[in-house]
This record gives sequence, structure tokens and C-alpha cells, in this order.
Amino acid sequence: ILNVEQSPQSLHVQEGDSTNFTCSFPSSNFYALHWYRWETAKSPEALFVMTLNGDEKKKGRISATLNTKEGYSYLYIKGSQPEDSATYLCAFPSGAGSYQLTFGKGTKLSVIP
Amino acid sequence: KAGVTQTPRYLIKTRGQQVTLSCSPISGHRSVSWYQQTPGQGLQFLFEYFSETQRNKGNFPGRFSGRQFSNSRSEMNVSTLELGDSALYLCASSLENGVNTEAFFGQGTRLTVV
Repeated sequence: ILNVEQSPQSLHVQEGDSTNFTCSFPSSNFYALHWYRWETAKSPEALFVMTLNGDEKKKGRISATLNTKEGYSYLYIKGSQPEDSATYLCAFPSGAGSYQLTFGKGTKLSVIP
Repeated sequence: KAGVTQTPRYLIKTRGQQVTLSCSPISGHRSVSWYQQTPGQGLQFLFEYFSETQRNKGNFPGRFSGRQFSNSRSEMNVSTLELGDSALYLCASSLENGVNTEAFFGQGTRLTVV
């Protein structure tokens, strides 16, 4: 059973603050690491799919880094806005040719205006 | 381009009944996966289909089954419903046969078993 851990479980920040959270995953048999954002009453939406050690990806104010050797990824949000309030999930696939994703329990971010 | 469509959105069933949930993937996507989310738990993998073949199955009892049709639409079935089956069931589709591409999720079916 793959173990994907996310921390913190929840986070409250003021509008304009920058924040970051962590996803830990097995460092062996690495294929990819996915990040999703899940807003209330909506579908989870992909943010990044990261595959290479040292990868850094950016989408607007959100960026992510990847360390496959030590088994962690960080997600950063710069200048948080109320619309960033959501649960952020990371997911680890069990194999290269399979879409069996093991998800962490997520970090729930609340941005206070 | 239409997204992943799941029907119905909400469902109430009685213990012991069976239920069928439907998922229509994005056009051209051949991989369809199903996940269950219960309170306090993360998304738990149920099964994945690719080109009508089940490639993987999660750690769920045999009461949970699924299938995929030639047009990539997928159904999952839960027989002999138990109270613990109350959950949000999400379907996801992806284009390529590999995990380097993102999954696209539907809005889910909220199943309540009473």
C-alpha cells in the first residue's frame, strides 16, 4: 500500500500572504506526481503533473517543486487570494501504464479576506 | 469541449439495494477511473478501465464492479448496499495511456444509503 502524506491538514491565511504545503510520497518506483485543486461543489482540477527530479512548475501565482530522491513536493501560493480557498491534493500513480492514483488526504486552505 | 459527465448527481438508496452510476468521459479519452471519497478519508481508488478492459482494481469488496463500453463510457455498480457505501463517487478520464498526463474529473455522484 502506497503512503502519500500531506501537511498541514488545514491552513488559514490572510489575503495577500504567501503559503506553502508539502506532499510526501515513496521515493522508490517514481513515475509522476500530480497536484489537484478541489474547490467546494466543483470537480478536482489538475494543477501540475511533475515527472523529473528538480522540476519546478508554475501557473500564475501557484508553483510546485519536486524532489524524487527524498520523496517530497512543495506547493507554493504567492499572495493568496480568497479564490485560492480550496483543498489541494497530491496523487502518486502506482505504475507507469496505469491510472491508479493514490491520493493524499489533502491540505484545506482558507484565505481570509 | 464537454467535460466528464457523471449521472446521477445525487442518489438515495436503501440498504440491500443495488445501484449503477454512469460516467461519460471527455471525447477521445480512453482511460476511465473511479474513486470513492468518504468523510475523513482521501480519495480511494476503485478501478480503472482502458479500452474496455479493467486494468486495476482497488481494495474494495466484490460488491463493487464496473465496466466500460466501446464508446469509453463507464458504469460502476454496487450491489447489496451497506450504510458505509454512502460516499461521493468520482470518475476521472485521461487521454493517454500513461500517468504523465492529468486526469479530468467529473463532479461526482453523491450516494446516500439509508
